[in-house]
Parts: sequence; structure tokens; C-alpha cells
Amino acid sequence: DAGVIQSPRHEVTEMGQEVTLRCKPISGHNSLFWYRQTMMRGLELLIYFNNNVPIDDSGMPEDRFSAKMPNASFSTLKIQPSEPRDSAVYFCASTTGQTNSPLHFGNGTRLTVT
Amino acid sequence: GENVEQHPSTLSVQEGDSAVIKCTYSDSASNYFPWYKQELGKRPQLIIDIRSNVGEKKDQRIAVTLNKTAKHFSLHITETQPEDSAVYFCAASGASGSARQLTFGSGTQLTVLP
Repeated sequence: DAGVIQSPRHEVTEMGQEVTLRCKPISGHNSLFWYRQTMMRGLELLIYFNNNVPIDDSGMPEDRFSAKMPNASFSTLKIQPSEPRDSAVYFCASTTGQTNSPLHFGNGTRLTVT
Repeated sequence: GENVEQHPSTLSVQEGDSAVIKCTYSDSASNYFPWYKQELGKRPQLIIDIRSNVGEKKDQRIAVTLNKTAKHFSLHITETQPEDSAVYFCAASGASGSARQLTFGSGTQLTVLP
């Protein structure tokens, strides 16, 4: 099992540019989560999907952020336009969705917006 | 919603000593409490978890205790080693025990001094 796969590992972009982060969950996991990690705010849940359907996006900071899950093996998080305050590490995580099933994190994407 | 407080934010111990990290939670319906370890530049990884029907759980040098009445739980690491140095996060889930309801603490930076 390759675990949760995220790409890219690092992204440096200029303010105003569009950024797309990608995630492949563990095969068989039907719940997928996007988290943002910063020193100031810790780990924040942005959005999660269950069976490819967005269930709760209340953590998405603003309309510049959007996420999709077109199929069970792929999800994207898009920021358009990006701003310096979006700089953070973005983690994707997946789980089977069963009660008390552990959450498995990907290696994260470190985003720097200049 | 759930609120999780974690203390201390930083902890330094001598190699071989024990380390204790404490968390409190607000939602009495929470019933699943995982602990994650995050090494520098890496992803959070589950190291141990406990469910509300258990008061203590051990796995080699790590143990977690849960006091549901007081709504707090703790991570205990004995015979600490330099490789234990990392950031540790506690989390609590709501009544469903689902990962989508996980609320993370703010993290504890543990440093084990050789």
C-alpha cells in the first residue's frame, strides 16, 4: 500500500496565480479530507468528502478555495487567486469511514506564495 | 462544537526520562481519542488511540489514559529516546467516532535531550 499520495511536494508561486494541489487516497478508503497546517492555527480541516461527495466545506477559508473529487481515487484543492497568507502545508488524508477508523495522512504539499 | 486544549506547547526531557502530554476536551459525547506524531517536515502519523470504553491503553513505551468524568486524556512516553523528538497532536472525535469530527489539539513540541 503506497499510502495517501500528494503532489506536488513543494509549490512556490506568485501572488495572484492559480494553484492546484492533488491527492490520491488509499484504495478502498471512501472518506477524504483536506487539512491546512500553519504555525499560528495548527491543523485546520478545510473540507471532507464521503463517497466522492463534499459533505462539509465550512472550513474553506473563502471563495478563492475550491475542492473536487471527480472519482474515488483523485481529489484536487484549488486556490485562485493565491495570496501570501495561503502559504502553509496542505495535507490530504483518507479513512475507511467506519467508526473509529484511523486517519491516514499524505506527505503534504508545502505551498509558498510570494 | 468540540474544543481540544493541549498542554504543554513545548516539553524538554532528558533521554531516559518520562514525558507526559495532557489534553482536555469539551464535548462529553466524544468517544475516540487518537494521538499523532509528526516529525519535522513529515506527515502526522497515528501512534496510539483510545476509545471511551477503555481507561488506559499501552503499546510498548507509550500509553494513553482517559478520564471521561474530567474530560481529559494524556499521553505517556517512558524511557524517552532522541527519536521520540517530534510534535505530538491529540485529537477528539464526536459521538459518531468519525474521522470527520476529529478536532486536533494545538500540538506539543517534545525534545529529548541526549
